[in-house]
Amino acid sequence: AQTVTQSQPEMSVQEAETVTLSCTYDTSESDYYLFWYKQPPSRQMILVIRQEAYKQQNATENRFSVNFQKAAKSFSLKISDSQLGDAAMYFCAFYNNNDMRFGAGTRLTVKP
Amino acid sequence: SAVISQKPSRDICQRGTSLTIQCQVDSQVTMMFWYRQQPGQSLTLIATANQGSEATYESGFVIDKFPISRPNLTFSTLTVSNMSPEDSSIYLCSVEDGGLAGGRGTQYFGPGTRLTVL
Repeated sequence: AQTVTQSQPEMSVQEAETVTLSCTYDTSESDYYLFWYKQPPSRQMILVIRQEAYKQQNATENRFSVNFQKAAKSFSLKISDSQLGDAAMYFCAFYNNNDMRFGAGTRLTVKP
Repeated sequence: SAVISQKPSRDICQRGTSLTIQCQVDSQVTMMFWYRQQPGQSLTLIATANQGSEATYESGFVIDKFPISRPNLTFSTLTVSNMSPEDSSIYLCSVEDGGLAGGRGTQYFGPGTRLTVL
């Protein structure tokens, strides 16, 4: 079974600085998708970014980018120019064959 | 992305009673999912609900406890039956449809239902 590991329960970043959230996964599949979701205190799960495993190019969405290392099974999220509104729980997720698995989450605090 | 609503947004229930949570999507989608998120925890998949077929339950979840309906391509319900305090959680529905802008595998989530069982 696929597993997703987020080794950082909590992270903190100064406003306007850059922070990287780590995620590793374990799978024997070659075709899959990876995601980062954000869950603010409102509890709404918001899609941040999506990566297709067959694409070597790292996905980017404005201030959010990923470092996808397929051989190492690593999928980190970089948030540039952090804003107060980025404060939330961040979940890494692995998808294959209609099955989505989530990591334990990383709570990000943004300091003004 | 799809717009998903859930009712109720929150509820406080007595032990032994049942609660039905509704999930409504603004477009037709093939696959809908129900998740449980216990306090301070990650999301755990309860079941997958496809229209026209029985829901598929994950290990540890059974139909008698969490019956699910999927009468059409825009609506689903999850019932939490014979509740106990251990059922206190956030329950989220999500949808996946490769035809949506997010692409295959992307799930969009409802706002969640916060359930407290006394």
